[in-house]
Amino acid sequence: DTAVSQTPKYLVTQMGNDKSIKCEQNLGHDTMYWYKQDSKKFLKIMFSYNNKELIINETVPNRFSPKSPDKAHLNLHINSLELGDSAVYFCASSQLTGGNEQYFGPGTRLTVT
Amino acid sequence: QQQVKQSPQSLIVQKGGISIINCAYENTAFDYFPWYQQFPGKGPALLIAIRPDVSEKKEGRFTISFNKSAKQFSLHIMDSQPGDSATYFCAPRPAGNTPLVFGKGTRLSVIA
Repeated sequence: DTAVSQTPKYLVTQMGNDKSIKCEQNLGHDTMYWYKQDSKKFLKIMFSYNNKELIINETVPNRFSPKSPDKAHLNLHINSLELGDSAVYFCASSQLTGGNEQYFGPGTRLTVT
Repeated sequence: QQQVKQSPQSLIVQKGGISIINCAYENTAFDYFPWYQQFPGKGPALLIAIRPDVSEKKEGRFTISFNKSAKQFSLHIMDSQPGDSATYFCAPRPAGNTPLVFGKGTRLSVIA
């Protein structure tokens, strides 16, 4: 009964490729997020979606595009991958933006070679 | 603009000792003060949280101390165990419909 799931767990790809990471939550939450965690463990919010609408888009290159087909899913599509995109990407959800508790997925480790 | 300053960056504690991690914030509009725990290869998970109307909250070996006037809150882990070895994040929430603001994390290693 995974609350927030992500696929794939690992993603290795070459520079210039386009890739997607999928996220699903079964908690009935209204808000979903994407975070990037670099090698120093810094956790940086990228996007926040509330009821399928983009609420927050931090300073993120437009090569990154979130897509929310419904309230339970928030996918991340990345175009023209660069070496600096290598990181662990976490999906999270909460009941309302800024909800008391954010539930994180297990992460997707993206390696760009 | 860095709203949250977490310290130390890393911490090594002997088994049975007390681990203390601090978080200082600038935005006085924060209204919720959680700590998240992240084990290697896992996503962060809520450990313990406090609201600004209380100065301390204890859950088992974990205690949050909150100092509103100093704009600081800290996490204390009593009787630290090797299983507590993880990265800890403070993540205060600004009032209103806005996401948590994560600190830069503290890597805790508890050695036997």
